[in-house]
Formats: sequence, structure tokens, C-alpha cells
Amino acid sequence: KAGVTQTPRYLIKTRGQQVTLSCSPISGHRSVSWYQQTPGQGLQFLFEYFSETQRNKGNFPGRFSGRQFSNSRSEMNVSTLELGDSALYLCASSFRLAGGPDEQFFGPGTRLTVL
Amino acid sequence: AQSVAQPEDQVNVAEGNPLTVKCTYSVSGNPYLFWYVQYPNRGLQFLLKYITGDNLVKGSYGFEAEFNKSQTSFHLKKPSALVSDSALYFCAVRDLSGTASKLTFGTGTRLQVTL
Repeated sequence: KAGVTQTPRYLIKTRGQQVTLSCSPISGHRSVSWYQQTPGQGLQFLFEYFSETQRNKGNFPGRFSGRQFSNSRSEMNVSTLELGDSALYLCASSFRLAGGPDEQFFGPGTRLTVL
Repeated sequence: AQSVAQPEDQVNVAEGNPLTVKCTYSVSGNPYLFWYVQYPNRGLQFLLKYITGDNLVKGSYGFEAEFNKSQTSFHLKKPSALVSDSALYFCAVRDLSGTASKLTFGTGTRLQVTL
């Protein structure tokens, strides 16, 4: 069974630009969660989508948004990039909601660098 | 609100010695607890979880964890460490009494196993 895939793996953008990251969950998984990982803040929850609906949202500004498609694939978008948005963005999928008893399966992440 | 603490930024242990990575949590009700491991330039990998039942949970790669409700702890252990265990370890919790279904991750503990 293929794992969670994220594209692109590496991205370099400049301040003010916008970026879209993509995540394909494990086949059959309906929940997709996004996390931001930085050395200073650690792992921070961005949002979770389940059956195309946002179920939870973390404490991030409105510049961070996401969506989920009918095939469970998800995208997240960051508009008006700031230097502080440089991070590893991780996507995780699970069969049921992420807060339930199912473990999450993580993708390798997208390393975003904002110059 | 739910929270999890990993009091040690780094744990150093010699190969062959037992290892412990500490985790304490704070929840209002009963918790779901998870341990994940992250190798360099990789996403997180699931190690084990406590949902209910036996307080001693066995997981992947010879790891185990003991759920202690009175001490609100869920320490990760391994009887004999390997150099290949060197990685970043995350504890995560979900409070079952809360309305939010998201997981909260600790700040991570770097495990360094030396020959």
C-alpha cells in the first residue's frame, strides 16, 4: 500500500508570493491533517479535513487555508508569504478523524523556504 | 485544555543500555496517547499508542510505553538501545472529554545513542 505522498518536496519562494502544497493520503483514508514544523515552535497543528469538510483549525492566520477533494487528496495554500513561514509542512492521513484511536500516517513533508 | 510535556530536549544513552524518553500529559478526562519517531528529513512514523486496557503498551522496533494514570505519564522505553534508534521522538495526546478532536504534540526529545 502506497504511503502518504507530498509534492513538491522542496520549495523556495520570496516574500509576498503564495504557495500551494499537495498531499495524497493513503488509499481509503478520509482524514487529512496538516502540521507546520519549525525548530522554534515544534509541531503545530494547522487544520484537519475529513470528507471534504474542515473539522479542526489551529491558531494560524487566515493566510493559511486548505481544502480537500472528493478523492481525499488535500491542498494547503499560504498567501502573502512571510519569512516566518519557512518550515517543514507535514501532511498526515488516517482512516477516521485524527483525534480518534487511529494512528496517523505522515508524509515526508514539503520544505518551504521563504527568502 | 489538553497539553503534553517532554521535559528533556535530549537524551543520551550508550548502545545496549536501556533507554527512557519521558512524557507527561494534562487532560480533563481520559486520554488517547501516542508516540511517534522522526528520522532526519523524514515525516513522523507511528511507534505505539494507548487507547484503553493494559497499561504496558508494546510497539514497533522493540519500543514499549507504560501508561500511568496517577502520575499522568506515558514514558517510552526500550530495554536495549541501538545506534539506529537515534532520532527525534514525539509524544501526543488527545483529551476524550474535550470538544476538539485534534492531537496535541509535545516539543520532541532528541535521542542520541552512541557506541
